[in-house]
Amino acid sequence: EVQLVESGGGLVQPGGSLRLSCAASGFTFSSYSMNWVRQAPGKGLEWVSYISSSSSTIYYADSVKGRFTISRDNAKNSLYLQMNSLRAEDTAVYYCARDSTLKRWGQGTLVTVSS
Amino acid sequence: SYELTQPSSVSVSPGQTARITCSGDVLAKKYARWFQQKPGQAPVLVIYKDSERPSGIPERFSGSSSGTTVTLTISGAQVEDEADYYCYSAADNNQVFGGGTKLTVL
Repeated sequence: EVQLVESGGGLVQPGGSLRLSCAASGFTFSSYSMNWVRQAPGKGLEWVSYISSSSSTIYYADSVKGRFTISRDNAKNSLYLQMNSLRAEDTAVYYCARDSTLKRWGQGTLVTVSS
Repeated sequence: SYELTQPSSVSVSPGQTARITCSGDVLAKKYARWFQQKPGQAPVLVIYKDSERPSGIPERFSGSSSGTTVTLTISGAQVEDEADYYCYSAADNNQVFGGGTKLTVL
């Protein structure tokens, strides 16, 4: 069974940093591209970042470019999102989602940016 | 970047047909997907490549495309279909969701 489990969320002050993780199981992680998608409280979905299976291609939404870094460790079946210079508007549930189809999603981890 | 525009809400009675539209210039050259999201849950893919239905999705869900507009149709909507629906498309390094449509079935 395909499983994606996010972790690392929590409360952080504006300007702070946080690293999210997504543990994958039930499929050959190294064969699939991955995405991060977020959803602010009571708001819609927002695509955040994409990484190809080999990490050779990476994309970011303009709203996070220069502050967030996506990475992966295929040996550990894990996806990461390093978030720096966090702002109140980054408060959201962050989901990892598999490949360009976005057919498989984790349950999300909540990031709250507040003083 | 580009935008996808959806109505904020659609309301139907049980058994009626619900239609949710999504408009954007990119849809004339790229496929759309549709996601269903119920409160407190992760999104679920219900339509891909404009009109293809993943396994496990009921046949009452269908999709169509015309020019710069795609439409999600729920034929004979049921109470359990009440949810938020999002269209999505990707072009080059731009990937975007529509603003979402709240479907009410009552």
